[in-house]
Amino acid sequence: KAGVTQTPRYLIKTRGQQVTLSCSPISGHRSVSWYQQTPGQGLQFLFEYFSETQRNKGNFPGRFSGRQFSNSRSEMNVSTLELGDSALYLCASSSTTNTGELFFGEGSRLTVL
Amino acid sequence: EDQVTQSPEALRLQEGESSSLNCSYTVSGLRGLFWYRQDPGKGPEFLFTLYSAGEEKEKERLKATLTKKESFLHITAPKPEDSATYLCAVQAGETSGSRLTFGEGTQLTVNP
Repeated sequence: KAGVTQTPRYLIKTRGQQVTLSCSPISGHRSVSWYQQTPGQGLQFLFEYFSETQRNKGNFPGRFSGRQFSNSRSEMNVSTLELGDSALYLCASSSTTNTGELFFGEGSRLTVL
Repeated sequence: EDQVTQSPEALRLQEGESSSLNCSYTVSGLRGLFWYRQDPGKGPEFLFTLYSAGEEKEKERLKATLTKKESFLHITAPKPEDSATYLCAVQAGETSGSRLTFGEGTQLTVNP
């Protein structure tokens, strides 16, 4: 069974640009969550999608957005990039919502110059 | 606001030297406490779920326990392959969905 796949794995952007990250969950999983991981803040919740609906949103500015498609694949977008957005962005899937047993991908490492 | 604090930040052990990692939490309405392992360059890997005080879970050399204020991850006779960052996370509140609040982790190094 294939795991959670995130693309791209690495990317470099400059301040002011925007970026779109993609996540393909484990087959049959309908919930997708996104987390930002940085050395100073650890793992912080961005948002969760279940059946194409945003279930929860973390304390991030509106520049961070996401969506989920009918096949459960998800994308997140960050607009007007800032230096502080440099981080590892992790996607996690689960078979249902209301569970803390998440299956994480390997992440997309974003560097903002 | 939910808070999770892990200690120590880093721990070095010799192979076979047992120890414990601590996770203390302050939440309103705990629904579950979770332990994950993260290897360098990888995403976290789920280890255990604990739901209520007094509960224990075991897997190979790891045992997780839960009280009303903290959780411990006991590592018995560790091996070098147990080296990783161990993350503790809580799920709280009625409408939290799959939203987890993570601690910053304990980086464990086991020397042969």
